[in-house]
Amino acid sequence: AQRVTQPEKLLSVFKGAPVELKCNYSYSGSPELFWYVQYSRQRLQLLLRHISRESIKGFTADLNKGETSFHLKKPFAQEEDSAMYYCALPYNQGGKLIFGQGTELSVKP
Amino acid sequence: DAGITQSPRHKVTETGTPVTLRCHQTENHRYMYWYRQDPGHGLRLIHYSYGVKDTDKGEVSDGYSVSRSKTEDFLLTLESATSSQTSVYFCAIRVTSAGELFFGEGSRLTVL
Repeated sequence: AQRVTQPEKLLSVFKGAPVELKCNYSYSGSPELFWYVQYSRQRLQLLLRHISRESIKGFTADLNKGETSFHLKKPFAQEEDSAMYYCALPYNQGGKLIFGQGTELSVKP
Repeated sequence: DAGITQSPRHKVTETGTPVTLRCHQTENHRYMYWYRQDPGHGLRLIHYSYGVKDTDKGEVSDGYSVSRSKTEDFLLTLESATSSQTSVYFCAIRVTSAGELFFGEGSRLTVL
């Protein structure tokens, strides 16, 4: 069964420290993975999509098929990065996305 | 940007009352979704639609029904609200063939 796991509920770092938000998945085939971000009480926004391999707001994510991971990284965290982050994976059918449980990132000054 | 609005944005109701949440899109996207967001559970799919009058269940569909009589509107109904349905509900539309979703701003429902 397809599944997305984000093992950390909360990640707290200091400003300027590196950040890595973990995402592991189970999927048969080549997955299209996404990271979404939700700032306080706002809508979820797309942060990154695996297929485009782009860097947004200094965040990058590399798909590691061997480890079935899609960890989100940023070398120097900023206070404005504080938010909820969700990793997401499409189901095989129906155009649906399944989401991980989310990781709350708190960047302290 | 895709246009999507949810209404109401906030609602407080009592157990046993019916509630309908509306999602309206201004573009012609085929796929629409209702998720609920709860601490510790992330986002869970309630129902989705792949066209007018074409809907299917998600992972937490019990106690919810949906309707889509027009492309632009996707309604979520709680026939008899319970306290366990207190949540934030997000509507989304699929904007790319790769599965990227664009979300509404959410509807916060409190069932007393």
